[in-house]
Amino acid sequence: DGGITQSPKYLFRKEGQNVTLSCEQNLNHDAMYWYRQDPGQGLRLIYYSQIVNDFQKGDIAEGYSVSREKKESFPLTVTSAQKNPTAFYLCASRHSQGYGYTFGSGTRLTVV
Amino acid sequence: GIQVEQSPPDLILQEGANSTLRCNFSDSVNNLQWFHQNPWGQLINLFYIPSGTKQNGRLSATTVATERYSLLYISSSQTTDSGVYFCAVRDSGAGSYQLTFGKGTKLSVIP
Repeated sequence: DGGITQSPKYLFRKEGQNVTLSCEQNLNHDAMYWYRQDPGQGLRLIYYSQIVNDFQKGDIAEGYSVSREKKESFPLTVTSAQKNPTAFYLCASRHSQGYGYTFGSGTRLTVV
Repeated sequence: GIQVEQSPPDLILQEGANSTLRCNFSDSVNNLQWFHQNPWGQLINLFYIPSGTKQNGRLSATTVATERYSLLYISSSQTTDSGVYFCAVRDSGAGSYQLTFGKGTKLSVIP
């Protein structure tokens, strides 16, 4: 079955550490997105990519970095510059000719 | 940027009851979607509905684009309907297909 896989499901980060969240899709979708969700809040866009080797900042990109070397993969790195990284992170994809978004099951990141 | 407001923020229903969730948006849109987030965090697309009315089983949605609002109707609610319902829009001027989400309506259906 096609879908989006996010790993790990839970991640703990120490102060000052960089961590990378994985997002892989086998839907042959061109566009991929990273969203952050805080308790009681909606989703806020961190980064998005519409084609391989190209990505754009979203509304809250500071302290995050991404790469898009393969169509299937869009990893997100939470750097030490992100002062409040504890949140639920969701990856999504969309076909360039379609409107529907498919979401992964999320990664819950906690700073310890 | 475009603003999206959802109401009510919280809703508690007895199983079998009906409900209406509302989404207001501040500018013209060419993409509006409703999502359900289950208690484990998974988001499922319910409707793509930039205008008009659609129905899928016990759920239906109506968007009145000229008046900048959308409604999600849940009939004969079940405990499995619990979770958070999000409205997300893309404004007509956006070139990136990025969606702006509301803060959601948290629905709790009790037996």
